[in-house]
Amino acid sequence: GAVVSQHPSRVICKSGTSVKIECRSLDFQATTMFWYRQFPKQSLMLMATSNEGSKATYEQGVEKDKFLINHASLTLSTLTVTSAHPEDSSFYICSARDMGTITEAFFGQGTRLTVV
Amino acid sequence: GENVEQHPSTLSVQEGDSAVIKCTYSDSASNYFPWYKQELGKGPQLIIDIRSNVGEKKDQRIAVTLNKTAKHFSLHITETQPEDSAVYFCAASNYGSSNTGKLIFGQGTTLQVKP
Repeated sequence: GAVVSQHPSRVICKSGTSVKIECRSLDFQATTMFWYRQFPKQSLMLMATSNEGSKATYEQGVEKDKFLINHASLTLSTLTVTSAHPEDSSFYICSARDMGTITEAFFGQGTRLTVV
Repeated sequence: GENVEQHPSTLSVQEGDSAVIKCTYSDSASNYFPWYKQELGKGPQLIIDIRSNVGEKKDQRIAVTLNKTAKHFSLHITETQPEDSAVYFCAASNYGSSNTGKLIFGQGTTLQVKP
């Protein structure tokens, strides 16, 4: 299957700083990418959907000014957690889907964010 | 919006036995139902999926059944092995050219296969 590469896999940052997470589709063009958040022993909660070249659509309750999403190219989307606080510590996962063909959603490896 | 319920939350079986995980969905427009396996600290990996025009799909030891009328679908794993131990998630999506087909996930099932 297609590969989605997510970096970094782990990051520790100080409270008040910003962190950027990258999600790349390596062998297909991802017209749509999704960002999820997962707390320990819980399910994946969709944060936002991003389409290449347009603004992301955020799910209810997700602060768009805190979780900045950029999908500037067909192979790269980024999630920036701004002014991070300890409660933002979580596992962040991206997935990508090529809307040009009937296909599954491919997931990245996830990023473990710890805010200290 | 779509809501997906998954049961059981934990499942323990002996190696070689079968495991069944069940999900129900609320949106009758959903037409794509994937199952994912997630190991600790990793992203989900697709293990099997089914579309709404099919009632059953099988891939070696794994099978999925779909009942559109009742709006539920199930994952069946036969001849379980210790390496099948993981968290399994079902999901539902309304996939089409006019929408993004975002996945709504169930709560997850922790499967433990005892040697």
